Formats: sequence, structure tokens, C-alpha cells
Amino acid sequence: GAGVSQSPSNKVTEKGKDVELRCDPISGHTALYWYRQSLGQGLEFLIYFQGNSAPDKSGLPSDRFSAERTGGSVSTLTIQRTQQEDSAVYLCASSPMGQAVHEQYFGPGTRLTVT
Amino acid sequence: AQSVAQPEDQVNVAEGNPLTVKCTYSVSGNPYLFWYVQYPNRGLQFLLKYITGDNLVKGSYGFEAEFNKSQTSFHLKKPSALVSDSALYFCAVTPGMSSSNTGKLIFGQGTTLQVKP
Repeated sequence: GAGVSQSPSNKVTEKGKDVELRCDPISGHTALYWYRQSLGQGLEFLIYFQGNSAPDKSGLPSDRFSAERTGGSVSTLTIQRTQQEDSAVYLCASSPMGQAVHEQYFGPGTRLTVT
Repeated sequence: AQSVAQPEDQVNVAEGNPLTVKCTYSVSGNPYLFWYVQYPNRGLQFLLKYITGDNLVKGSYGFEAEFNKSQTSFHLKKPSALVSDSALYFCAVTPGMSSSNTGKLIFGQGTTLQVKP
């Protein structure tokens, strides 16, 4: 079956612009996670969705970052007024339920470059 | 604070030799432990996990890992390395069963495995 998909695969934007990153999880997976992978910080958790609600937003680095999920499916991560330090690969993952016993299935990521 | 350490940035091994990629963790309670692999320009791919039970867990592509509670370690192993195993490997942990555990993963910094012919 189809895996987790993300779009765009690459995004180059100018400092100060807003960007939207999209994630399509595996059908039926109720849990969705966003992570960021950067050279300096490694892989870090951003936000967790269970259905359409986000009970854990503890990893969002600033109020410029926000995310939503609709219909218990697609999620969008929005970064406002992008800064150069936002350059990273943004990874989305889904799992059948938001329980720690389940492994997460990752998408290919969106590489964001802020110039 | 919860953390994962992968002490080696890179591991080099000859094809056909056994390999070990090290991981130690610090987390409260009984942890759930995972290994993921990342090939260039790809997302992370699940290899194996330890939840409970037998300390030796077997996963995809002939990989296995041993959970050692006293040493708080979860080293990844393979008896005979292949050139195609060359990739970036991540160890990850999440605190064990609790009502507040959402499953978010805490990752190590990653270890690059280079298998030479």
C-alpha cells in the first residue's frame, strides 16, 4: 500500500517568506508526527497529532511554527517569516495509534532551504 | 532529561565481517527502543524495536539488537555486513507505558555505517 508522502520534496524560499509543507499519512493511521532533521540539531520532534488535535506541541521552536491536521488525515506545517536557521529537512511520520509500542512510518521529507 | 547517545559518528567495517553500532539511553521508567536506517535522500526506515520480553530482538535485513537494562544500552548488530548496509543509522527511545506517553521519539545523533568491499 501507499506509504507516507510529503510535498514538496524541495522548497527554496527567501528569508521572511511563509512556507507550507504537506504530509499525507498512511490511510487509517490516527497518529501523525512532525520532526526536523538538521546538521546542527540532529533529529528533533516538533508536534504530535492524534486525530485532528495536537496534544503535544512541545517541540515547535517558536510561534512562527504552526501545524494543523484536517479530516484525521492530511497535515500542513506552516512556517511564517522564515529564517535561515529554519533550513532543514522536515520529516513526517504516522503510526496506527499514538502509543509508544507502535513504530512510526516516515515520509521522504521536505528539504527546506531559506536564502 | 531523556536522551540517547550514539558515541560513534562513523563505523567502518569490511564486507562479511560482523558489525556493531552502539547506543545508550537515559530515560525514566522502562523504555521502548527503536533502530531506524536512513539511505541518502530518503526518509527513515524502521529496522527493529524492543518493547518487552526477550532482550535479543531480530529485525529487518538480518539486523538484531540486544537490550541491556543494567548498561542502559541497545546496540545494533549484524553477523555479516553487506556493502548495501552502508547508510545512516539512528537509535531512538520513548518512555514506556504511561498515559502521558504520546510515542514521540528521542533520537541519537546518528552513526554512519560504511561497509567496504
